[in-house]
Amino acid sequence: GAVVSQHPSWVICKSGTSVKIECRSLDFQATTMFWYRQFPKQSLMLMATSNEGSKATYEQGVEKDKFLINHASLTLSTLTVTSAHPEDSSFYICSASVPGEQYFGPGTRLTVT
Amino acid sequence: KNEVEQSPQNLTAQEGEFITINCSYSVGISALHWLQQHPGGGIVSLFMLSSGKKKHGRLIATINIQEKHSSLHITASHPRDSAVYICAVYSGSARQLTFGSGTQLTVLP
Repeated sequence: GAVVSQHPSWVICKSGTSVKIECRSLDFQATTMFWYRQFPKQSLMLMATSNEGSKATYEQGVEKDKFLINHASLTLSTLTVTSAHPEDSSFYICSASVPGEQYFGPGTRLTVT
Repeated sequence: KNEVEQSPQNLTAQEGEFITINCSYSVGISALHWLQQHPGGGIVSLFMLSSGKKKHGRLIATINIQEKHSSLHITASHPRDSAVYICAVYSGSARQLTFGSGTQLTVLP
């Protein structure tokens, strides 16, 4: 089956620094990639939708200047958390989409100290 | 906006029991996903269905489009089935998944 990878799987960073998370579709080309955030005991919350070669569409309440998304190719999207703060600590999950199906990455756990 | 409700929120079962998790949604959909999330966080897609019934091993998923309802069944449950099960619906017009709050399943040996 289709595989989506994320890197890193976990990261600890100091407050004020930036962190980049990569999402790759390993054996297929994804027309669209989605970025989700998940707090403990809660369901996934869509942050943004990313299409290759165009600007990401952010959900209401998600700061586009804080969560920078770059979709460089049909197999790679990156999420950069800029000037991270402790409240950005969360589990970030990406998914890659082809018509009719979505495949999820394993997630990245971000802890900001 | 589609409202997705799952029940129960938490479920504890003994190994070998038959388990049912339910999902209801408010607006017509083009597809429904059942997802499994283990404690480590990674999500696995179990089923995507738009009508009828699908079976994979001990897992069975059904959907009733008219009643806007889906069920996930696990037969002969095992402790390794312990996870959060999430229902997510795809509305073509919305072009994104709407997630239920999840069902925490614990299967005791």
